[in-house]
Amino acid sequence: DGGITQSPKYLFRKEGQNVTLSCEQNLNHDAMYWYRQDPGQGLRLIYYSQIVNDFQKGDIAEGYSVSREKKESFPLTVTSAQKNPTAFYLCASRVWTADNEKLFFGSGTQLSVL
Amino acid sequence: DAKTTQPPSMDCAEGRAANLPCNHSTISGNEYVYWYRQIHSQGPQYIIHGLKNNETNEMASLIITEDRKSSTLILPHATLRDTAVYYCIVRGNSGGSNYKLTFGKGTLLTVNP
Repeated sequence: DGGITQSPKYLFRKEGQNVTLSCEQNLNHDAMYWYRQDPGQGLRLIYYSQIVNDFQKGDIAEGYSVSREKKESFPLTVTSAQKNPTAFYLCASRVWTADNEKLFFGSGTQLSVL
Repeated sequence: DAKTTQPPSMDCAEGRAANLPCNHSTISGNEYVYWYRQIHSQGPQYIIHGLKNNETNEMASLIITEDRKSSTLILPHATLRDTAVYYCIVRGNSGGSNYKLTFGKGTLLTVNP
């Protein structure tokens, strides 16, 4: 069963704590993405990775960090510098052909601050 | 990528057709129109895309105007499970090198019994 797996489904962060959200894919896609979604809002791009060992900042990268050591994995760390981390986080991978492009999303992680 | 404009919300009766509009007046010749939808607390799901011709698949139909400045996503027989936020995105075919992909706020479609 191929797809994007995000874990955990729910995560709680204490003040000053770093937390890491997991994202794994078995679709053999090169590009992967992290988005943040606040209630009633669209998706905002945090980071994206075109290929292993490479990643770029999106529109709201401050307070977040990522790594891409393996093709299958693109974990997101929410650092203590992110002062308003409560949000729904979505990971995606991308497939591209000459006349088609699709993003495949995971089911998301809801992060809340204790 | 060209900017898109969608109404923030729409209602539809169950069993009727849902027609979701999208304006993309600055679309350029090589840009495709994509639609995704997001059911509450889930990740978005691809629905359909097109360049200039109308397209149909098992989920929906996409009607693109002749001047390509607007399009309509049609769900022919809406069900309660179609209640979701629908995103219209315009993307260029730049050899796959345009990795930055952003979503707007979309249209919240509520299907009523």
